Amino acid sequence: DAGVTQSPTHLIKTRGQQVTLRCSPKSGHDTVSWYQQALGQGPQFIFQYYEEEERQRGNFPDRFSGHQFPNYSSELNVNALLLGDSALYLCASSLGIGELFFGEGSRLTVL
Amino acid sequence: GNSVTQMEGPVTLSEEAFLTINCTYTATGYPSLFWYVQYPGEGLQLLLKATKADDKGSNKGFEATYRKETTSFHLEKGSVQVSDSAVYFCALTTNTGNQFYFGTGTSLTVIP
Repeated sequence: DAGVTQSPTHLIKTRGQQVTLRCSPKSGHDTVSWYQQALGQGPQFIFQYYEEEERQRGNFPDRFSGHQFPNYSSELNVNALLLGDSALYLCASSLGIGELFFGEGSRLTVL
Repeated sequence: GNSVTQMEGPVTLSEEAFLTINCTYTATGYPSLFWYVQYPGEGLQLLLKATKADDKGSNKGFEATYRKETTSFHLEKGSVQVSDSAVYFCALTTNTGNQFYFGTGTSLTVIP
């Protein structure tokens, strides 16, 4: 049973560029949440998707957007990258509002 | 609002020592409480959870009791092993369940 998978694992971008991160949820899960984890900090909630709709959003600017596909996989897009966007981006899936299962993350470095 | 405060790290212990990592919370409504663990280079894994006051979560020798009166959920283990070296995060979610609030994490290193 595959767990949560994320791609890419590492990527480097320059300021002003755009990035797309991808996530496949654990089998049987229908809800995907995205978190940003800055170095030495706890994960911060970006948003959650359920039934292809954004159900809840944290305190992140509109540069952060997402999408959920009919197969429950999800993408996180960040536009106009800033140095401060450098972080580990974690995808977590759940069945409804149950326990979160995390992927290993995508580490984004913005130069 | 909702928030979690964890004790500052890093924590270094000798093998077989007793571990306590303090966690206190502020929440609206009736939160569920969690401890997650992050091993080097990996994502977060659920260690244990408690969903109502006085519940005790336990797993792999770790325990934490949901104390509503002190708004705390301290993590304990009687005898740590080198393999327990990781970063530990306390977290809560409210009864809507949509958003988890994490503490800043406590790094634990266990030396032989």
